[in-house]
Amino acid sequence: DVKVTQSSRYLVKRTGEKVFLECVQDMDHENMFWYRQDPGLGLRLIYFSYDVKMKEKGDIPEGYSVSREKKERFSLILESASTNQTSMYLCASSFVSEQFFGPGTRLTVL
Amino acid sequence: QKEVEQDPGPLSVPEGAIVSLNCTYSNSAFQYFMWYRQYSRKGPELLMYTYSSGNKEDGRFTAQVDKSSKYISLFIRDSQPSDSATYLCAMIRSRTSYDKVIFGPGTSLSVIP
Repeated sequence: DVKVTQSSRYLVKRTGEKVFLECVQDMDHENMFWYRQDPGLGLRLIYFSYDVKMKEKGDIPEGYSVSREKKERFSLILESASTNQTSMYLCASSFVSEQFFGPGTRLTVL
Repeated sequence: QKEVEQDPGPLSVPEGAIVSLNCTYSNSAFQYFMWYRQYSRKGPELLMYTYSSGNKEDGRFTAQVDKSSKYISLFIRDSQPSDSATYLCAMIRSRTSYDKVIFGPGTSLSVIP
């Protein structure tokens, strides 16, 4: 079974803090993705990566950056957290089109 | 117009009912269609995967694609309380690594015992 794990299930941070969300997959997938999910807005793609050290902007990259130093690990960085970044963050990995998701991190920015 | 539309619900049915969940889309280039199930406070899990038009059955679940109408459906027979979740449709033009999956916003389903 594909396993995608995320470093935290729940996280509370203060405005202006730098926040790191980590994602690890164990299936040697080439592709990894970061989404945020908000009520009424569905899943929105923040960044994705098709290979180590490679990244592409998704639909809403502003305020975020990513890092992929190893194939199995994809990190999402909020450089200076703001209250409008309070959301559920979901990581996914895929070989081709079928994406497998982690359990999500619910981030609250106060 | 959004690329993929889905009635958000909530949809509430009695246990044992047949459930029909639907998505419409605007891009005729989509060829591969997926359904994900997402339980509360969990990540989505892949439920069904179909290619082009036609039906695919897996236990109590049937996925149906009508490309001429740009309409896809997921039917759940003999619905159970454990089916209570949000269901997201998703689609993609080609089954390669470099094409973007487009997700619908999800339909919330409650199956009442």
